[in-house]
Amino acid sequence: AQKITQTQPGMFVQEKEAVTLDCTYDTSDPSYGLFWYKQPSSGEMIFLIYQGSYDQQNATEGRYSLNFQKARKSANLVISASQLGDSAMYFCAMREGDTGRRALTFGSGTRLQVQP
Amino acid sequence: GAGVSQSPRYKVAKRGQDVALRCDPISGHVSLFWYQQALGQGPEFLTYFQNEAQLDKSGLPSDRFFAERPEGSVSTLKIQRTQQEDSAVYLCASSLGAISYEQYFGPGTRLTVT
Repeated sequence: AQKITQTQPGMFVQEKEAVTLDCTYDTSDPSYGLFWYKQPSSGEMIFLIYQGSYDQQNATEGRYSLNFQKARKSANLVISASQLGDSAMYFCAMREGDTGRRALTFGSGTRLQVQP
Repeated sequence: GAGVSQSPRYKVAKRGQDVALRCDPISGHVSLFWYQQALGQGPEFLTYFQNEAQLDKSGLPSDRFFAERPEGSVSTLKIQRTQQEDSAVYLCASSLGAISYEQYFGPGTRLTVT
């Protein structure tokens, strides 16, 4: 079973509008972290936002917010006021547990295109 | 400050050649990760170092893949007898501590095996 599922291969949004990128995850570990990364065409993975499984509030970082619904095992990324520079691949990722393996498991990504 | 750097940025190898990919993590970062990203997919974990110790190599696809970090800073990923299926972008990431959650990624090395 996929641990991270991103069902939207591609998304279009008009400049200045908000967009939601979907992510669902699968884990039996009670402690985990969820991440969103942006990968522009240059290839570098840029960290956007983090949500811990025990965090009571949804994470926010500037124009980025994470809609964390633990019971549904979803961690959707919301980008408000889209900008042309937001056009990129977006990856949802998870790290399970507080100890041991620290690697991230990534989804297959969503390509976001912001249109003027 | 300087981020994670990787070299070379691009590498073309003929099938059967050995290659070595270098990663310079952010100075002082304890943890170092290697990931492999095939075209159109998300990165997949290869191996993890804490200082010089390789604590997890469960993602290495075969014994042709070998990674080291002898002094706890620079790391090298070596692929022996390259195959076409090894063609991918190899990403290196580092994080400050053993339990720090944020990983900082380098620009990657794009390996093409012909």
